[in-house]
Amino acid sequence: EVQLVESGGGLVQPGGSLRLSCAASGFTFDDYGIHWVRQTPGKGLEWVSGISWNGGDIGYADSVKGRFTISRDNAKNSLSLQMSGLTTEDTALYYCAKGSVALWFGELVFDSWGQGTLVTVSS
Amino acid sequence: QSVLTQPPSASGAPGQRVTISCSGSNSNIGGNYIYWYQQLPGTAPKVLLFRNDQRPSGVPDRFSGSKSGTSASLAISGLRSEDEAEYYCAAWDDSLTAWLFGGGTKLTVL
Repeated sequence: EVQLVESGGGLVQPGGSLRLSCAASGFTFDDYGIHWVRQTPGKGLEWVSGISWNGGDIGYADSVKGRFTISRDNAKNSLSLQMSGLTTEDTALYYCAKGSVALWFGELVFDSWGQGTLVTVSS
Repeated sequence: QSVLTQPPSASGAPGQRVTISCSGSNSNIGGNYIYWYQQLPGTAPKVLLFRNDQRPSGVPDRFSGSKSGTSASLAISGLRSEDEAEYYCAAWDDSLTAWLFGGGTKLTVL
């Protein structure tokens, strides 16, 4: 059974930094691209970032480009998202989602999701 | 405001048929597949349809999808109380080189 478990969320002040992690199990981790998708009550789902199977290809939403960095450690079956320059607009539930193919782009579905970790940016 | 536009809400009585639309542009829906996700209350989203109209195993054939030009639709027939959920369309955008989600449609079964 595919399992994705996010951690690292919490309360952070505007301008601050936070690192999210996602522990994966139940599938061959380095065969698939992995993504971060966030959800806010008012704006629904928003794709944040994706990384291909070997970490060689990475993509970001314009809203986080230059502030967030995605990375993966295939030896540890883990995904990370380093977030800096946080604003109140980044407040959301952050999901780790497995893609159905090796790349982060192209024809794919987000076929497994974690339960999310909540990030709150507030002073 | 999402690039993919969905109505914020939809409703129908049990047994009825309801459709949810998703409107985009040539750079997303017009040139790529559309995907639909269902999010039941308190849970993570799950894939409902892929490649415009394909159902993953386990998804009932009451759920169907279509695409025409820069718009797509999700149809749910024989509406049941357990269909009450938020529905999101999604597509790749060639111009933004990013994945896009619609704003979501909250379906209420009356």
